[in-house]
Amino acid sequence: GAVVSQHPSWVICKSGTSVKIECRSLDFQATTMFWYRQFPKQSLMLMATSNEGSKATYEQGVEKDKFLINHASLTLSTLTVTSAHPEDSSFYICSARGAGGGTEAFFGQGTRLTVV
Amino acid sequence: DAKTTQPNSMESNEEEPVHLPCNHSTISGTDYIHWYRQLPSQGPEYVIHGLTSNVNNRMASLAIAEDRKSSTLILHRATLRDAAVYYCILRDENQGGKLIFGQGTELSVKP
Repeated sequence: GAVVSQHPSWVICKSGTSVKIECRSLDFQATTMFWYRQFPKQSLMLMATSNEGSKATYEQGVEKDKFLINHASLTLSTLTVTSAHPEDSSFYICSARGAGGGTEAFFGQGTRLTVV
Repeated sequence: DAKTTQPNSMESNEEEPVHLPCNHSTISGTDYIHWYRQLPSQGPEYVIHGLTSNVNNRMASLAIAEDRKSSTLILHRATLRDAAVYYCILRDENQGGKLIFGQGTELSVKP
């Protein structure tokens, strides 16, 4: 399958700082990217959907000013957690898919964020 | 979002077939049925997807009921590496194709 790479794999940051997570599609053009978060022993929760060159669409309850998403090219999307707090500690996962109905989405390996 | 219902957990023996069921009685005509699996501390891995007809690939088979209200993921010979949480998801192409995850089925494989 196609490859989606996330960076970093894990990050520890101080409370109040911002953290940027990158998501790259390595061998296909990702017209749509999705960002999820996952708490321990829980399922993935969709945070937002972004289409290349457009503003992201956030799911209900997700603060767009806190979780900044940029999808400036067909191979890169970034999620910035601004003014991070310990409750933002979670496993963040991106997903990317190409154009066309029926195409599958591929996931990155995830980023473990710990805010101390 | 259309919902799916899966058993919380299942057990299987190594090298035996595994049938993972999924109910999706509210499926609409534009919903694709997708299966992903997730190992601990990893992103989900695509397994298979289909719309109406049964599908086969190198990883698994997907059997879709004629009325599309249920489906079954079939692992033909389970290995220890198949132990994971399996998610059955309906994807609506009319809603940007986003995948909404349910709780999935935790599959354990005994040697």
